[in-house]
Amino acid sequence: DGGITQSPKYLFRKEGQNVTLSCEQNLNHDAMYWYRQDPGQGLRLIYYSQIVNDFQKGDIAEGYSVSREKKESFPLTVTSAQKNPTAFYLCASSIWEGQPQHFGDGTRLSIL
Amino acid sequence: GQQLNQSPQSMFIQEGEDVSMNCTSSSIFNTWLWYKQDPGEGPVLLIALYKAGELTSNGRLTAQFGITRKDSFLNISASIPSDVGIYFCAGQLSGYGGSQGNLIFGKGTKLSVKP
Repeated sequence: DGGITQSPKYLFRKEGQNVTLSCEQNLNHDAMYWYRQDPGQGLRLIYYSQIVNDFQKGDIAEGYSVSREKKESFPLTVTSAQKNPTAFYLCASSIWEGQPQHFGDGTRLSIL
Repeated sequence: GQQLNQSPQSMFIQEGEDVSMNCTSSSIFNTWLWYKQDPGEGPVLLIALYKAGELTSNGRLTAQFGITRKDSFLNISASIPSDVGIYFCAGQLSGYGGSQGNLIFGKGTKLSVKP
């Protein structure tokens, strides 16, 4: 089945620790995105990538980093610089930029 | 950043009722999208709208792209219990390239069952 796979489903971070969230898609989409969702809020864009080996900051990139070494993979690292990392993180992809985005099932990150 | 105003924030439905929600913005959008999110899952695309005035249906769901290109509404007819969840609108600004192709999301309309 084609789709977007996020792992793990739940993740816990200790103080001062970096953690990496995985996002893989087998839809052959060029564009990939990371969003953060807080209760009662819309989705806020963290980073996006329109093509392999290129990515851009979104609205709330501070404390996060990404890489796009392969078309199908767009991992997100939540660094220790992100002081309020507890949230639901959603990865999305689209065939190219500007086209409807399709989402994975999310990773819920909590602080220990 | 850009803002989308989505209303209502929440509403209670009784099975069989029709439901209506909308999104408005001060900006002109190229595309309007409607998503539904169930608890603990990612949003699922329901309807995509590409032209001003366009009216599109997906089963019991109907959405319209406003003539001014600054608003959109979603109607659900004859609601059923599995319609509960959070519905998000998303708009894509006019133009491509840079961040113009990115989506702006409303804060969602939460549908719950009337007690």
